[in-house]
Amino acid sequence: GAVVSQHPSRVICKSGTSVKIECRSLDFQATTMFWYRQFPKQSLMLMATSNEGSKATYEQGVEKDKFLINHASLTLSTLTVTSAHPEDSSFYICSAREGEGTDTQYFGPGTRLTVL
Amino acid sequence: QKEVEQDPGPLSVPEGAIVSLNCTYSNSAFQYFMWYRQYSRKGPELLMYTYSSGNKEDGRFTAQVDKSSKYISLFIRDSQPSDSATYLCASSRSTLGRLYFGRGTQLTVWP
Repeated sequence: GAVVSQHPSRVICKSGTSVKIECRSLDFQATTMFWYRQFPKQSLMLMATSNEGSKATYEQGVEKDKFLINHASLTLSTLTVTSAHPEDSSFYICSAREGEGTDTQYFGPGTRLTVL
Repeated sequence: QKEVEQDPGPLSVPEGAIVSLNCTYSNSAFQYFMWYRQYSRKGPELLMYTYSSGNKEDGRFTAQVDKSSKYISLFIRDSQPSDSATYLCASSRSTLGRLYFGRGTQLTVWP
């Protein structure tokens, strides 16, 4: 099956710093990538949808200036948490969908962010 | 009301038991229904995918959708300790639409 990787798997940072998380589709080209956030024992909450070469579409309540998403190529999307605060601590998961007319989303292993 | 509701459990069963996991949804426009399995600190992996009402079987796993009652089920036969994970149901309106997830049910199968 298709493989999606994320880097880093875990990051600890100080409050006020910015953190970049990478999401890569390893063996397929992903025209669409999704970024989710998951709190302990909670569901995955969609933060934004990004299509290669265009601006991301953010879900209601997600600050686009705080969570910067770049989908510069068909195999890479990045999420940058700017000026991170302790309340941003969470598990961030990306998923990728291959091509047009394909509905299966393949999920990455997730990135655990802890902001001190 | 959330789009997809799921009892978080936890659910604990002995090895070999039949497990029943359930979700309800509120949006009658949902046509596609999925079950994902998520191990601790890992991303979800797709287990089952069904369209509209009906049953789908894959090995020890059976997915059921009853659109009349807006009820989604996953059955696991002959459960194994390796089935211990969190199971998330998800629904969407279209093949390319966003997924709406339940909270996930934490399952433990003990030897």
